[in-house]
Amino acid sequence: GESVGLHLPTLSVQEGDNSIINCAYSNSASDYFIWYKQESGKGPQFIIDIRSNMDKRQGQRVTVLLNKTVKHLSLQIAATQPGDSAVYFCAENGSGNTGKLIFGQGTTLQVKP
Amino acid sequence: GAVVSQHPSWVICKSGTSVKIECRSLDFQATTMFWYRQFPKQSLMLMATSNEGSKATYEQGVEKDKFLINHASLTLSTLTVTSAHPEDSSFYICSAEWFGRGGYTDTQYFGPGTRLTVL
Repeated sequence: GESVGLHLPTLSVQEGDNSIINCAYSNSASDYFIWYKQESGKGPQFIIDIRSNMDKRQGQRVTVLLNKTVKHLSLQIAATQPGDSAVYFCAENGSGNTGKLIFGQGTTLQVKP
Repeated sequence: GAVVSQHPSWVICKSGTSVKIECRSLDFQATTMFWYRQFPKQSLMLMATSNEGSKATYEQGVEKDKFLINHASLTLSTLTVTSAHPEDSSFYICSAEWFGRGGYTDTQYFGPGTRLTVL
């Protein structure tokens, strides 16, 4: 069935280093992808999105890369800060133009001081 | 922009009572809102899609008579957990779909969530 998965459940990085969070998606019909950040006890927060007609998009300290050939999505965070510690979810829109999102299982990012 | 609120942020109720959770888009109109449920250390599970002025569409396995959804306006959707039981205890999160960002569709913005505890 449709699924969006993450390669690593937990990522631990040193403060100031760059972080890379990966995501694999299975539905080749997906044409829209979003990264969300969820802190403990809060709702997911939109970070960055990308359409399938692009392979890279940059925001403030974050970059999303899309490789449609291997159905892979990644989120790069530059100069990781303690405030970046959270669970990160990737999501895809799947097929059928329903507006629904399919979420991955999440990667916990731990930033060590 | 794209702020979504939920009320209450947490609620404790007795078994058998009903609880209503409100989801509001504060600075944009949302014809479509979504309701999710999340268990500890798990991903979000979509419960239903709420469309303004029409009946909600429920995901497979979600009881529509148990989880009543009303989307009466372009900025408000409500989820009522009827005859709540301890197994309904969970973190409920809503999202609203906004089409205003440069023509992108499907962008969902989430509320802060509501922690429901049923005793």
